[in-house]
Amino acid sequence: EDQVTQSPEALRLQEGESSSLNCSYTVSGLRGLFWYRQDPGKGPEFLFTLYSAGEEKEKERLKATLTKKESFLHITAPKPEDSATYLCAVQGAGANSKLTFGKGITLSVRP
Amino acid sequence: SAVISQKPSRDICQRGTSLTIQCQVDSQVTMMFWYRQQPGQSLTLIATANQGSEATYESGFVIDKFPISRPNLTFSTLTVSNMSPEDSSIYLCSVSVAAETQYFGPGTRLLVL
Repeated sequence: EDQVTQSPEALRLQEGESSSLNCSYTVSGLRGLFWYRQDPGKGPEFLFTLYSAGEEKEKERLKATLTKKESFLHITAPKPEDSATYLCAVQGAGANSKLTFGKGITLSVRP
Repeated sequence: SAVISQKPSRDICQRGTSLTIQCQVDSQVTMMFWYRQQPGQSLTLIATANQGSEATYESGFVIDKFPISRPNLTFSTLTVSNMSPEDSSIYLCSVSVAAETQYFGPGTRLLVL
C-alpha cells in the first residue's frame, strides 16, 4: 500500500526565512509525485509533478526536488502570501493506481 | 489545466437527509474523481467516475451511501445519502487533464447536524 508522510505538520517562518517541507513516500513503482497548495476554504491548487529521482522544478519562490524516498519543497525568502497548506501526493505505477495524499504541512509566514 | 466549479459551495443539513453535489468542468474529460477531506486528515478518494460506465468505489465507500452520476464528459454529481454528523466534511471533485495530473474544484463544505 502506498504511503505518504509529510513533516513537519506545521511550520512558522519569518518573512524572508527560507526553509524546506518534507514528503517521505513508499510506493510500488512511482508514476508521479505531486505538490499542491491549498488555501483555507479552497480546493487544492496544482504546483508541480515530479517523475524521477533527481528531477527538480521551480516556480517563483518554490523549488521541488525528488529522491527515491522523499521530496522536498524548498521555499526561498517566503512572503506572507505563501502561507497555506502544502499537500504532497504520489501515484504508483500499477494499473488504475490512485493518488495517495499526505496530511499536509501548514505554513505560516509572519511579516 | 481545467476550470472546475462545484455547487453548492457549502450547506448545513439535518441527519437522515441527502445532499447532491454537482461538479462542472469547462472541457471534456474522461476521468472525474470524488474525494473527501476531513479535518486533520488527508484527502481520501471516494470513487472514480468515467462517462458511460459505473463508478468505481474505493474500499470503505459504497454506492448506496454515495451514488454518483456521470451523464456526460463535463458533468458529474455525488449524492451523500442518509447523512449523519460523521459525514460532515469537505467534498472535492477533480479531473485528470494531462497525463496523471489532477485538478481540483473549490470544494463543498458540508455540516450535518
